[in-house]
Parts: sequence; structure tokens; C-alpha cells
Amino acid sequence: EAQVTQNPRYLITVTGKKLTVTCSQNMNHEYMSWYRQDPGLGLRQIYYSMNVEVTDKGDVPEGYKVSRKEKRNFPLILESPSPNQTSLYFCATGQRNTEAFFGQGTRLTVV
Amino acid sequence: GESVGLHLPTLSVQEGDNSIINCAYSNSASDYFIWYKQESGKGPQFIIDIRSNMDKRQGQRVTVLLNKTVKHLSLQIAATQPGDSAVYFCAENIGGTSYGKLTFGQGTILTVHP
Repeated sequence: EAQVTQNPRYLITVTGKKLTVTCSQNMNHEYMSWYRQDPGLGLRQIYYSMNVEVTDKGDVPEGYKVSRKEKRNFPLILESPSPNQTSLYFCATGQRNTEAFFGQGTRLTVV
Repeated sequence: GESVGLHLPTLSVQEGDNSIINCAYSNSASDYFIWYKQESGKGPQFIIDIRSNMDKRQGQRVTVLLNKTVKHLSLQIAATQPGDSAVYFCAENIGGTSYGKLTFGQGTILTVHP
């Protein structure tokens, strides 16, 4: 079964405590991406990767890091989380000029 | 910056009616457009896509229309059902070497009354 798996699904953390949200896909897709979704602002792209070791900034990359060391994984790293990073995060995967498949989301709260 | 937007943030229809959700885009370089449906508590789910060399594309109960002259995209849902109630997003992509960069609209809430 084609899957995009995010972990954790829910996370409450404190300001400044480094965290990583993992994303894994089993579809051998080249493209992976992270989005955050906030009320009234829709989905905004944080970072994306079009292949292993290739990453690019999206629209809101500040405060985030990513890595793409292998094709199936694309972790999102918050080195020093702040309350304004409280959001619903989605990982997505796809191929060139095809639709993106989204994970189930990670709800992050930074207090 | 250029972005995708929507004319109507909410749409309420009766079961069985046809629904039309609109989207305006401003980037004339965009050549690939996608409609997504997002139900509460879930990730966006692909509905239908269209490339800029097409004006219309049909799926099961859904049709996407693209008017490049006025940079307008619409999603038509035939015989709307309560299960169609969700938030609908359009997204655009420039393609080429930037095929990974999707820009989403704000979303339209569709409510279908039985």
C-alpha cells in the first residue's frame, strides 16, 4: 500500500528544545516536501527536495532545516522551536508534474 | 509575491446540486494546476489536475476548467453529496526545474446539506 508516514502525529514541546518530525514514503518518489497549515493562511511550503541531496527553500523556510540523505526519508528539523511554529505540518511526495501525496499530518504545539 | 487565490471562501449547497469552486492565479508561468480536497483531521487528497495545454479535464463527477486568458481555474462537482463536504484547495506549479514548488490557494469550505 502506497504510504506517506509522518511521526509523531501529535507533539507538545517547549521553546528552544530541538525536535525532528520524520517523513517516510514507500513509493520511490523523487520529490518530497514539507508544508505548514495555519488557519486563514492555507498550506505554505517550507522546504522541498527533488532528489537525494537536493533541497530548496519554499515560501516559509525560516526556523526549519531539512535533509535528504536517502530517497525515502525527508525529516523536518526545528533546531530551536518557537511558539510561532505551532502549526499543523504535512509531508508530501510525488513525481515530476504529478500530484503530490500527503501524509496524515503532525500537529505541533510549542509552549 | 504571486500566489493562488479564491473568489469564495465558503459555499453551501443542497445535496444533488452541482457545485462550482473558483480559483484565480496570478503567475502566468504556471503550467500545472491541481485541486485537492481536505477533510477534517486528514491530509489533502488529490482530486484532479490539469496542464496548461488543456482547457478542460473531466474525472468522476468532477470537471476542472482552465481559462488562461483570465488566469482562472474552477472545479465543478456534479450531483454533490454530503461526503463532498470538505475544504477544497487549488494549487499551481511552474513546472520545469521547479516542479516541486507548489503554491496553494487559501481554500474554500464546501458544505453540502442533506
